[in-house]
Amino acid sequence: EVQLLESGGGLVQPGGSLRLSCAGSGFIFSNYAMTWVRQAPGKGLEWVSGISGSGDIRHYADSVKGRFTISRDNSKKTLYLEMNSLRAEDTALYYCTKTRDIVIVASDYWGQGARVTVS
Amino acid sequence: DIQMTQSPSTLSASVGDRVTITCRASQSVSRWLAWYQQKPGKAPNLLIYKASTLESGVPSRFSGSGSGTEFTLTISSLQPDDFATYYCQQYSTYGTFGQGTKVEIK
Repeated sequence: EVQLLESGGGLVQPGGSLRLSCAGSGFIFSNYAMTWVRQAPGKGLEWVSGISGSGDIRHYADSVKGRFTISRDNSKKTLYLEMNSLRAEDTALYYCTKTRDIVIVASDYWGQGARVTVS
Repeated sequence: DIQMTQSPSTLSASVGDRVTITCRASQSVSRWLAWYQQKPGKAPNLLIYKASTLESGVPSRFSGSGSGTEFTLTISSLQPDDFATYYCQQYSTYGTFGQGTKVEIK
């Protein structure tokens, strides 16, 4: 059974930093691209960042480019999101997702989310 | 960046109704489009990918069509479990989502 377990969320002051982690299990982690998607309270889904299975291709939404860094450690089956220079508008539930291929495509599994509050 | 626009934003329907949601892209995304269902307090669930391929385990009353810039999600006969919010997502370039369509009970 595929499982994605996010951790590292919390309350941080504007300008602060936070690192989210997502531990994957039940699938060959290195064979699949992974993404982070966020959802602000009462709002829709916003794609944040994605990384290929090998980790050599990374993409970011314009809203986080230069502030967030996505990475993965395939030996630990873990995805990361390093978030710097946090703003109030980064407050959201951050979902880790597994995509259906080694490159970034549709997400077939989602974690339950890590809550980030910038205040 | 590619923008995705869904219509309508809210849809009121009854059990048994045929429901159609439209998603338009600001430029062609070929068939690199997915549809998700999200219920309150839950993570989204993939329904359809590559515009019209039904994800495993998803009921056949859900179908998708379209290519290029215009896509539709159709629920052939709305069931009580289908009242939720639906999102389209293009993944031709990164992964932009539409703003969502809430399907409510009429």
